[in-house]
Amino acid sequence: GQQVMQIPQYQHVQEGEDFTTYCNSSTTLSNIQWYKQRPGGHPVFLIQLVKSGEVKKQKRLTFQFGEAKKNSSLHITATQTTDVGTYFCAGRRRDDKIIFGKGTRLHILP
Amino acid sequence: GAVVSQHPSWVICKSGTSVKIECRSLDFQATTMFWYRQFPKQSLMLMATSNEGSKATYEQGVEKDKFLINHASLTLSTLTVTSAHPEDSSFYICSAPPGHLTQETQYFGPGTRLLVL
Repeated sequence: GQQVMQIPQYQHVQEGEDFTTYCNSSTTLSNIQWYKQRPGGHPVFLIQLVKSGEVKKQKRLTFQFGEAKKNSSLHITATQTTDVGTYFCAGRRRDDKIIFGKGTRLHILP
Repeated sequence: GAVVSQHPSWVICKSGTSVKIECRSLDFQATTMFWYRQFPKQSLMLMATSNEGSKATYEQGVEKDKFLINHASLTLSTLTVTSAHPEDSSFYICSAPPGHLTQETQYFGPGTRLLVL
């Protein structure tokens, strides 16, 4: 079954508000990746985190990897309408299998 | 960046027919490719790992005889849905890591939408 839990499932925010999605794995991960999928599109790679406690930023996006390499988060500051989509985390297990979270669907209210 | 293509992008077929989906890495070699299935508004579920020159590795619950995978070259993997039924209707996506399996990210193809009537 699914071993990477992602919350929340849905999130509605006013444009300009912040947004955060969280991923939790039942097992230690080799790395974790984040993807964005627009409606009708395919997942597009955003970033990969490898090191324990790693934090990476891409403009308004901040990605964190937990110290135990079981948790991760994606935070978007001051959301814009272009941020609409579903954000997936994908954890690479020790057996090299990549398991996707169920995704967080972000809606932006104008 | 690395590019992965899929063909066809859309396919509609009658129940009982077989459908072949191609996944190609256009500007890099991929010894491994992954096949995923995504139902509407759901996450990607890994179906199998395609290995060049050897048998594919299937995830638990995925029928090997139903979903035939052939990784004939370093740039091409095919997924054949045999005797397709309406419940096989889904979005099939392949991906490939451009480098060493544990070090590189993976790039996704644009996906193939299968509708079985």
